[in-house]
Amino acid sequence: DTGVSQDPRHKITKRGQNVTFRCDPISEHNRLYWYRQTLGQGPEFLTYFQNEAQLEKSRLLSDRFSAERPKGSFSTLEIQRTEQGDSAMYLCASSYGQGGYNEQFFGPGTRLTVL
Amino acid sequence: GQSLEQPSEVTAVEGAIVQINCTYQTSGFYGLSWYQQHDGGAPTFLSYNALDGLEETGRFSSFLSRSDSYGYLLLQELQMKDSASYFCAVKGAAGNKLTFGGGTRVLVKP
Repeated sequence: DTGVSQDPRHKITKRGQNVTFRCDPISEHNRLYWYRQTLGQGPEFLTYFQNEAQLEKSRLLSDRFSAERPKGSFSTLEIQRTEQGDSAMYLCASSYGQGGYNEQFFGPGTRLTVL
Repeated sequence: GQSLEQPSEVTAVEGAIVQINCTYQTSGFYGLSWYQQHDGGAPTFLSYNALDGLEETGRFSSFLSRSDSYGYLLLQELQMKDSASYFCAVKGAAGNKLTFGGGTRVLVKP
């Protein structure tokens, strides 16, 4: 299967700990997005990469959050000093294109539970 | 900023037709997308409208009126597998991010 993959699928951590999630986009997709989704809500945009450049960050992305896409392929999202309010599904999506609209393909998500 | 409004829940029987409305307020607008998400699953792309009018893809159709800041997703010949949440999403002028509505949960009954 060559879809978007995310690891881990589930993460339980204690408040104050750091966590890191990984996303592997569809091969040759130059754009990669991170979203956060809480129960009963739509996904909320966090950040976006074109190749290795992080081009946009949401105000939702506090300084405890950092994302990287070092070689323009996989990406990591790290949350430092986790809080209970960080509990959510973290979704990664990828797309290919230079302009206009390009369909975003979503991964299965990483469900984070902060105790 | 951007905001999207859609009904929270719709119930219908198999074989029926359901229309999910979406109204939006945006600072910029490129187009309106629709995504389907089953419980525990990833959002999957259904359709995209950049211009006014109706786009038909099998049993699903999507409509956009840019002057009214309004769109809808039409689900025809409902099947049990169509029970899912449906999200409208706007691609705004700033960047390539999608801004999603709160989702409409569709429950199909036999």
